[in-house]
Amino acid sequence: GAVVSQHPSRVICKSGTSVKIECRSLDFQATTMFWYRQFPKQSLMLMATSNEGSKATYEQGVEKDKFLINHASLTLSTLTVTSAHPEDSSFYICSAQEPGRPGYFGPGTRLTVL
Amino acid sequence: GENVEQHPSTLSVQEGDSAVIKCTYSDSASNYFPWYKQELGKRPQLIIDIRSNVGEKKDQRIAVTLNKTAKHFSLHITETQPEDSAVYFCAASVGGTSYGKLTFGQGTILTVHP
Repeated sequence: GAVVSQHPSRVICKSGTSVKIECRSLDFQATTMFWYRQFPKQSLMLMATSNEGSKATYEQGVEKDKFLINHASLTLSTLTVTSAHPEDSSFYICSAQEPGRPGYFGPGTRLTVL
Repeated sequence: GENVEQHPSTLSVQEGDSAVIKCTYSDSASNYFPWYKQELGKRPQLIIDIRSNVGEKKDQRIAVTLNKTAKHFSLHITETQPEDSAVYFCAASVGGTSYGKLTFGQGTILTVHP
């Protein structure tokens, strides 16, 4: 089956710093990447959709200047949480998709902002 | 946008019993309905999915039914086992190239008692 990786798996940072999360499709070309956020004991909420080579489309209520998404290649997308604050602490999960097929989730990144 | 409601929020059954989780959706354009199982701290795992041109789909102990007219779909797990204990999420999306832009239900915590 398709393999999607995320790095790091968990990160702890100080308030005000920026954190970059990588999502890679290892055995297929992901023309579309989706970024979801999941707070403890809650559901997954879509943050943004990115197509390779294009600007990401953000969902309502998600600050594009705070959550920077780059999808520079067909196998890599990055999410940068800028000036992170404790309320940004969450489980961030990417989903990588090739055309005409459902997306495959990465293993997630647990972000804790102190 | 799409809104997906999922019930119940928690479900407790005895091993060997059946479990049913129900979801309703609001967008009549949605035509792809996956179900995910998520264990604590891990990625959602696709367990079964259905397209709107099909009313029912079965895979061993798991089945999904879809009523497009009523805009609801259900997950049925028969002969439950303790390892079925997890959080289950339904989701909906408009298919085609947008498989991955999923709107999730709130989740159901399933506990199977030995």
